[in-house]
Amino acid sequence: RKEVEQDPGPFNVPEGATVAFNCTYSNSASQSFFWYRQDCRKEPKLLMSVYSSGNEDGRFTAQLNRASQYISLLIRDSKLSDSATYLCVVNDKTGGFKTIFGAGTRLFVKA
Amino acid sequence: NAGVTQTPKFQVLKTGQSMTLQCAQDMNHEYMSWYRQDPGMGLRLIHYSVGAGITDQGEVPNGYNVSRSTTEDFPLRLLSAAPSQTSVYFCASRGGTGGNIQYFGAGTRLSVL
Repeated sequence: RKEVEQDPGPFNVPEGATVAFNCTYSNSASQSFFWYRQDCRKEPKLLMSVYSSGNEDGRFTAQLNRASQYISLLIRDSKLSDSATYLCVVNDKTGGFKTIFGAGTRLFVKA
Repeated sequence: NAGVTQTPKFQVLKTGQSMTLQCAQDMNHEYMSWYRQDPGMGLRLIHYSVGAGITDQGEVPNGYNVSRSTTEDFPLRLLSAAPSQTSVYFCASRGGTGGNIQYFGAGTRLSVL
């Protein structure tokens, strides 16, 4: 089982749609959680951190369920510019340094 | 803010050549790492460092060496380039606590002919 698993994608949605990405992680001792965005041939960049209480940034909402070891990202009112790969990222504190990236879910938003 | 700086941005090598990919960060981060990303694939960890003088292997270390003589710099050396090492290489750094965000350099696009 992979340490961080994401929906395989790709997701193809029309502008204005709501899209949800799911992610599960295997280590219950994982400490912190993030969603990154990666545009084609560019470096990954932080989209938002994910907190247990859930957090929102404009059209983006992230949720964490520690009991189920599940992370989600909801994008409302999709824009063409949201087209990218979304990476689920987990920091493990056990054993020292370990940042684990999911394989990513590709999103295509079409006019 | 410079953040994480990688050089060169592009490089073409012949099989068997060696080279060093440079990475520098100005955020005083303890942790630095090198990833490779092949077309359509996820990031794979090559080597990482938890501080000056300390390095360790990641998922795909063969064919690469690293050193960390200073907090700021973490070069990646290709010992004898092979076509299988054609990839995009990203350097990243983050602070020492578990909640810290990882920042990436812009990447080095390497082709080995």
